[in-house]
Amino acid sequence: GENVGLHLPTLSVQEGDNSIINCAYSNSASDYFIWYKQESGKGPQFIIDIRSNMDKRQGQRVTVLLNKTVKHLSLQIAATQPGDSAVYFCAESPLYNFNKFYFGSGTKLNVKP
Amino acid sequence: EPEVTQTPSHQVTQMGQEVILRCVPISNHLYFYWYRQILGQKVEFLVSFYNNEISEKSEIFDDQFSVERPDGSNFTLKIRSTKLEDSAMYFCASSAVGANTGELFFGEGSRLTVL
Repeated sequence: GENVGLHLPTLSVQEGDNSIINCAYSNSASDYFIWYKQESGKGPQFIIDIRSNMDKRQGQRVTVLLNKTVKHLSLQIAATQPGDSAVYFCAESPLYNFNKFYFGSGTKLNVKP
Repeated sequence: EPEVTQTPSHQVTQMGQEVILRCVPISNHLYFYWYRQILGQKVEFLVSFYNNEISEKSEIFDDQFSVERPDGSNFTLKIRSTKLEDSAMYFCASSAVGANTGELFFGEGSRLTVL
């Protein structure tokens, strides 16, 4: 599959601080990216997506940044809460081919109270 | 809120046995998927299914695997002769037609343990 990977396997942050989770990809043809959150014992849950014609997209307390030059995307979580503790995956696919996503290795986010 | 449901939540089987994992996708979704996650590793694509046929499959999805939509609600993954390395969490997912987004709705998974 395509090489979609994460820099940091574990990230610990203090409650209330901002979190930044990073992801690198190697396929320059990748056009569409999604961040998923996976809580313990559950399936992945969609957080936010971004297409390659954008470099930033904001949601509720989350922002995804895409840097196509260096094939890097990040997920920023503002005012991190204990409920944000989970494993976060980036996933990519060619645009409009939603049949198959390649997931990265995952980063575990620990939020300390 | 509609959700994808999977059964069983956990299955233990002997190597060489056949296993069927079942999924009920969200009712108005028409794209269905199976992914798997070996413990501590990343989520891996297995197969996608639309209009009663496989749309895409990965190299993992070999002849030992098959999928079926036997009726209007169930979507199944069959492993004919399980191997030790098939031990993993298997996730079913579905997505809506024309949503213009890749948002997949995942079930909570079926854990398969092959002994």
